[in-house]
Amino acid sequence: GAVVSQHPSWVICKSGTSVKIECRSLDFQATTMFWYRQFPKQSLMLMATSNEGSKATYEQGVEKDKFLINHASLTLSTLTVTSAHPEDSSFYICSARDANRGHEKLFFGSGTQLSVL
Amino acid sequence: AQSVTQLGSHVSVSEGALVLLRCNYSSSVPPYLFWYVQYPNQGLQLLLKYTTGATLVKGINGFEAEFKKSETSFHLTKPSAHMSDAAEYFCAVSYSGGSNYKLTFGKGTLLTVNP
Repeated sequence: GAVVSQHPSWVICKSGTSVKIECRSLDFQATTMFWYRQFPKQSLMLMATSNEGSKATYEQGVEKDKFLINHASLTLSTLTVTSAHPEDSSFYICSARDANRGHEKLFFGSGTQLSVL
Repeated sequence: AQSVTQLGSHVSVSEGALVLLRCNYSSSVPPYLFWYVQYPNQGLQLLLKYTTGATLVKGINGFEAEFKKSETSFHLTKPSAHMSDAAEYFCAVSYSGGSNYKLTFGKGTLLTVNP
């Protein structure tokens, strides 16, 4: 089946540094990728929708200059948390839509746990 | 606006017992409804979905869910729990908005299965 690879699965960084998270669709073309954030005991909250070759669409309340999203190819989207602070510590998860399938064919990465010291 | 409420953050059942995970939604337009499962250290995997047509949908691993419009519910059931069913389960809603594929998730329900 379709696989989405998310890397790294776990990262610790110092406050003020930037962290890049990669999301790759391994065996399909993903015209659209989504980035979610999950706090403990909370639901996944959509941060932004990433379309290949165009600017990402951010949800209300998400700082686009803080969370930089790049979707330069049909198989790769990246989320960069810039000047990270402890409050950015969270579980980040991506999903990718297979362009050749219908609405429900979203595949999720295994997530990245970010801890900012 | 859409929202999803999953009643019970933690459900514990005995092996062989009925599994019932509750999900209620609110949506101003006809919804698409989904159940996802997340095993430890893995991504979310689609269990089943409702888009249109038959309101009782069957998914993988023996799970099924019924869309009840009058109750705005989409509860997940399985007649007999297996140890391997222990995982986190998420209900999600989207809507039939053309190219809109955005999902709104519930907070999740952790299912534990006791031997």
